[in-house]
Amino acid sequence: AQSVTQLDSQVPVFEEAPVELRCNYSSSVSVYLFWYVQYPNQGLQLLLKYLSGSTLVKGINGFEAEFNKSQTSFHLRKPSVHISDTAEYFCAVSDQGNTGFQKLVFGTGTRLLVSP
Amino acid sequence: NAGVTQTPKFQVLKTGQSMTLQCAQDMNHNSMYWYRQDPGMGLRLIYYSASEGTTDKGEVPNGYNVSRLNKREFSLRLESAAPSQTSVYFCASSVASGRQSTDTQYFGPGTRLTVL
Repeated sequence: AQSVTQLDSQVPVFEEAPVELRCNYSSSVSVYLFWYVQYPNQGLQLLLKYLSGSTLVKGINGFEAEFNKSQTSFHLRKPSVHISDTAEYFCAVSDQGNTGFQKLVFGTGTRLLVSP
Repeated sequence: NAGVTQTPKFQVLKTGQSMTLQCAQDMNHNSMYWYRQDPGMGLRLIYYSASEGTTDKGEVPNGYNVSRLNKREFSLRLESAAPSQTSVYFCASSVASGRQSTDTQYFGPGTRLTVL
């Protein structure tokens, strides 16, 4: 079974400052890794995903994440945030060996609050 | 191209009442999912349909039933609502590429349900 830990429930940051949202996972099998974003009163949408290859993955809206296998982490970063980045961010994992359907295991989410 | 649509957006029920949440996607996706989102708990899978004609239980199926009406539509039914089912419900779909674990899930805007 997999589990995902997002260590920070809320991260306040000023506009144009850098931000890192932390995600650690636990799994006995190999996994794929995802970050989804949920803007207020909307559904989730994919920011980026790591499937294989380069451990640094670039996503939409200037976000990137780095896969670190030894630390079982997949932290999300942005060098300069905007007010519009205010949202809830979810880290998720998917078992590589599961071919019948995609079982996504989500973390509890991190609320990013960007203020002027 | 509307993506994933859900109706209703909001609903208030009394304990014991029944209702059906509707979901439709216009992306010709094979797999569809129902999640519930509760504060501090992330998203949990209720039921999924890996392909048209099949449905299976997820992590928290008790108190719910589903119907995959056709390839486009996947409904969630609460037969006898309980206050513990107060939540935000999200429907999602994915293409089911053959490497399902790598797929992106596309989410609807959610239904906010309150059971009194």
